[in-house]
Amino acid sequence: AQSVTQLGSHVSVSEGALVLLRCNYSSSVPPYLFWYVQYPNQGLQLLLKYTTGATLVKGINGFEAEFKKSETSFHLTKPSAHMSDAAEYFCAVSVGATNKLIFGTGTLLAVQP
Amino acid sequence: GAGVSQSPSNKVTEKGKDVELRCDPISGHTALYWYRQSLGQGLEFLIYFQGNSAPDKSGLPSDRFSAERTGGSVSTLTIQRTQQEDSAVYLCASTLGTSNTEAFFGQGTRLTVV
Repeated sequence: AQSVTQLGSHVSVSEGALVLLRCNYSSSVPPYLFWYVQYPNQGLQLLLKYTTGATLVKGINGFEAEFKKSETSFHLTKPSAHMSDAAEYFCAVSVGATNKLIFGTGTLLAVQP
Repeated sequence: GAGVSQSPSNKVTEKGKDVELRCDPISGHTALYWYRQSLGQGLEFLIYFQGNSAPDKSGLPSDRFSAERTGGSVSTLTIQRTQQEDSAVYLCASTLGTSNTEAFFGQGTRLTVV
């Protein structure tokens, strides 16, 4: 069965510092992986997704993620954090023909001035 | 519409009452999903619709939960005899229906059972 693990429920970085949010997956078939962001009192917004092809995926707001099959990882990075990046981030894997999403437990990113 | 619309945005209900949550997906999106977001359980899948049928109801937590979709569009999630543990944010999402396309989420309905 597919599953996703996010290491670190809370991450704090300084403005301008590197952002690294970790996600590991478990899947018996080639996975389709997603990162979503949730701002307070809002729904989820897609940051980026990996389906097939290039393993380095670029998303919105300067975020990118690299699919590493050997490490079963799909970590999210951004070179320089902005205050506006403060939000909760969810890694997810798409399951089966229904395309339903199985989410990790989320990482709350705080950006310090 | 321009996005997925959910109503109400907030609902406070007394324990034991029934509630209905509504979702208007993006026009033309054939697939619709309900998820629940709670402090203890994180984001959980509840039910999936393709058109008006629900081939995957595996996430519904009990028989107090039901959902329907009509006209291949609006969906209603009904919770009967609400319990305090039903308190959560209920999120709806829709996709075009082809595999692994982007799911667009509504802003959710925050349900509080008192």
